[in-house]
Parts: sequence; structure tokens; C-alpha cells
Amino acid sequence: EAQVTQNPRYLITVTGKKLTVTCSQNMNHEYMSWYRQDPGLGLRQIYYSMNVEVTDKGDVPEGYKVSRKEKRNFPLILESPSPNQTSLYFCASSLGRLASYNEQFFGPGTRLTVL
Amino acid sequence: KQEVTQIPAALSVPEGENLVLNCSFTDSAIYNLQWFRQDPGKGLTSLLLIQSSQREQTSGRLNASLDKSSGRSTLYIAASQPGDSATYLCAVIVRTSYDKVIFGPGTSLSVIP
Repeated sequence: EAQVTQNPRYLITVTGKKLTVTCSQNMNHEYMSWYRQDPGLGLRQIYYSMNVEVTDKGDVPEGYKVSRKEKRNFPLILESPSPNQTSLYFCASSLGRLASYNEQFFGPGTRLTVL
Repeated sequence: KQEVTQIPAALSVPEGENLVLNCSFTDSAIYNLQWFRQDPGKGLTSLLLIQSSQREQTSGRLNASLDKSSGRSTLYIAASQPGDSATYLCAVIVRTSYDKVIFGPGTSLSVIP
């Protein structure tokens, strides 16, 4: 089944403890992206990647890192999480660049709480 | 700066009604516009993708239109069903140096049996 998977689905952690949220897609998609969703602010783009070893910042990249060493995986890294990073996180992928009429497919989400 | 709004914020209708959800954007320089639905506790499901040169797209009971010059898109749902209850989001792909995506805040739809 074609899908985007995220792990973990739920995570409660403490301030400053490094964590990684994994994202994997099995559709051979080139484009991948991370979003956070907050009440009243909607979905905002954190980072995106157009291909292996090519990543760039979205609207709200502060406090996050990403890597794209393999085409299928796009982990989101929080080196020193803070309470303002408590949010619902979504990973998405697309066959190619969004500007080229490619639709995005989303993972199920990861609910992160930073105490 | 591109801003995306959706009206109404919430909508409750009896089963069987036809309904229209609205999405407005302030900058007409977009590549595409995509409609999604989001069910509670779940991710987003793509419904329709409209290229900037297109006027509308249809899938089953759903029809999305795009008027780029006026900065508006509508999602028409025919013969609504309780299973249509969800939050509907629109997203525009803006013409910047990268594939920037701006989401609207969503319309929460409840279809009453």
C-alpha cells in the first residue's frame, strides 16, 4: 500500500532532550516536507526537500533540523526541544515539485508534547 | 505576503444538502491550489488539485473551481452525507524561490443524519 509513515505517533518529552521523528514513504517520491499544525495558526511548513541531499527552510525552521540521506526517509530532528514546539507534526511527500502539478500525500501525524 | 482564508469556519447541514466551501487568497501569483480533508486525529487526505491555468476539477460528488484573478476557490459538495463530516483545508502553492505552501485555517463541516 502506498503510504507515508511517521514514528512515533505520540511523544511526550522534556525540555532539552534531543529527539527524532522519522518519516518514510514507499512511493519513490522526490519531494518531502514537514509541517506543524497549531490551533489558530493552521498548518505551517518547517522544512522541505526536493531530492536526496537537497533540503531548504520553510516558514518556521527555527529549532528544527532535517536530513535526506535516502530518497524514502526524511527525519525531523529537534536538538533541544522547548515547550513552544509542542504541536501536531505532519510529514508529506510528492512525486515531484509542488509547482509542477504534483499533489501532496500526508502521513498520519505525530503529536509531540514538550514539558 | 500571501494569506489564505476560508469561510465559513464551521458549517452544520442536514444530510442530502448541496454545499459550498470558500477559500480566498490575497496574491494571485500561485502555481496550484489543493483541497484536503482532515478527520479528527488523522492526517490530511488529498481531494482535488487544480493547476493555476485550470478553472475546475471534479471527483465524484466533489467539484472545485478556481478563479485566480479574484483570488477565490470554491469546493462544491453534492448530496452531502454524514461521512463527509471533517475539516476541509485549502492550500496554495505560491510562486517564490521554492515550493512554498500556504494553508487556510479550514472549514469544519458537520453533516447531520
